[in-house]
Amino acid sequence: KAGVTQTPRYLIKTRGQQVTLSCSPISGHRSVSWYQQTPGQGLQFLFEYFSETQRNKGNFPGRFSGRQFSNSRSEMNVSTLELGDSALYLCASSLVAGDGNTIYFGEGSWLTVV
Amino acid sequence: GENVEQHPSTLSVQEGDSAVIKCTYSDSASNYFPWYKQELGKGPQLIIDIRSNVGEKKDQRIAVTLNKTAKHFSLHITETQPEDSAVYFCAATRDDKIIFGKGTRLHILP
Repeated sequence: KAGVTQTPRYLIKTRGQQVTLSCSPISGHRSVSWYQQTPGQGLQFLFEYFSETQRNKGNFPGRFSGRQFSNSRSEMNVSTLELGDSALYLCASSLVAGDGNTIYFGEGSWLTVV
Repeated sequence: GENVEQHPSTLSVQEGDSAVIKCTYSDSASNYFPWYKQELGKGPQLIIDIRSNVGEKKDQRIAVTLNKTAKHFSLHITETQPEDSAVYFCAATRDDKIIFGKGTRLHILP
């Protein structure tokens, strides 16, 4: 069974640009969540989607947004990039949302903003 | 707000010795506690988890213990091997909220 797949793995963007990251969950998983990982802040929750609806959102500015498609694939978008957005963005999937369901992470997308 | 404290932030142990990483959580309603291992350049991988109705769980060289009264849980790795070198994250979950510890970088010394 294929794991969580994230694309692209690496990308470099310029300040002010926008970026879209893609995530394909494990087959059969309907919940997708996104995390930002930086050396200083650790793993920080961005948002979670289930059945194309955002269920939860972390404390990030409105520049960070996401969506989920009917096939459970998800995308996240960051607009007006800032240097501080440089991070590893991790997508995770689980069978259903909430209630202590195990989440499985992808390999992540490394974003560098210059 | 809710948080998870993880200690130590860095741990070096001799190959073959045991390693222990401890986490404390603040939300007494947390009911699921996974541990993840993250190797360089990779995403976190689930290595073991425990639910609040269980005090201890073991899987080969890895074990997790949970003390609900004290609100802390620990990861124990016995007979450490070079491939155990990685960053380990604990997490506490309640309903649809999961909070991660800051991570422990484990070095296995030859």
